[in-house]
Amino acid sequence: AQSVTQLGSHVSVSEGALVLLRCNYSSSVPPYLFWYVQYPNQGLQLLLKYTSAATLVKGINGFEAEFKKSETSFHLTKPSAHMRDAAEYFCAVSKSYNTDKLIFGTGTRLQVFP
Amino acid sequence: GAGVSQTPSNKVTEKGKYVELRCDPISGHTALYWYRQSLGQGPEFLIYFQGTGAADDSGLPNDRFFAVRPEGSVSTLKIQRTERGDSAVYLCASSQKTNTGELFFGEGSRLTVL
Repeated sequence: AQSVTQLGSHVSVSEGALVLLRCNYSSSVPPYLFWYVQYPNQGLQLLLKYTSAATLVKGINGFEAEFKKSETSFHLTKPSAHMRDAAEYFCAVSKSYNTDKLIFGTGTRLQVFP
Repeated sequence: GAGVSQTPSNKVTEKGKYVELRCDPISGHTALYWYRQSLGQGPEFLIYFQGTGAADDSGLPNDRFFAVRPEGSVSTLKIQRTERGDSAVYLCASSQKTNTGELFFGEGSRLTVL
């Protein structure tokens, strides 16, 4: 069975501060891992994905995530937050041989203060 | 627009009624997915189609839920004898091909069962 746990349903940062959104996974097989973002009044969109090619993955809008097998983590970071980064972020896991069934976490809402 | 379109955006119905939710995927996308998002939760997989056929319907909660995609494009999620617990946002996503994990989501149909 696979699952992801997102620590912190809400995260608040000041504009320009580091963003760190936490995700830990559980998987009985080598996983693929994803971060999706949902901006207000929009559908979810893919931010980045890990598919075993490289442990540090760069995504859109300056976000990146690092796969750490020893910690079973896939935390999302951005060095400097912008107001436009305010959104809900979802971590998801799938089996490496079947990415058509994504298992999502409960989400983290990021607030950015001026 | 060229994104995934879902109708209706909001549906309020009474317990026991029948409901249909429609999804129009991105043109040319062969894979189509339905997810359900309850309040405070992440999206939960229901079913996915490759072309006209349901490739995996293991997420459908019970036999009151059914989905079709007769011509390999538009899909309809059908819920019979609705219950209050069916209240959620139903998300549709499409993908150019299967097994990429890159899903393009619509904004969802919010179903409220009174």
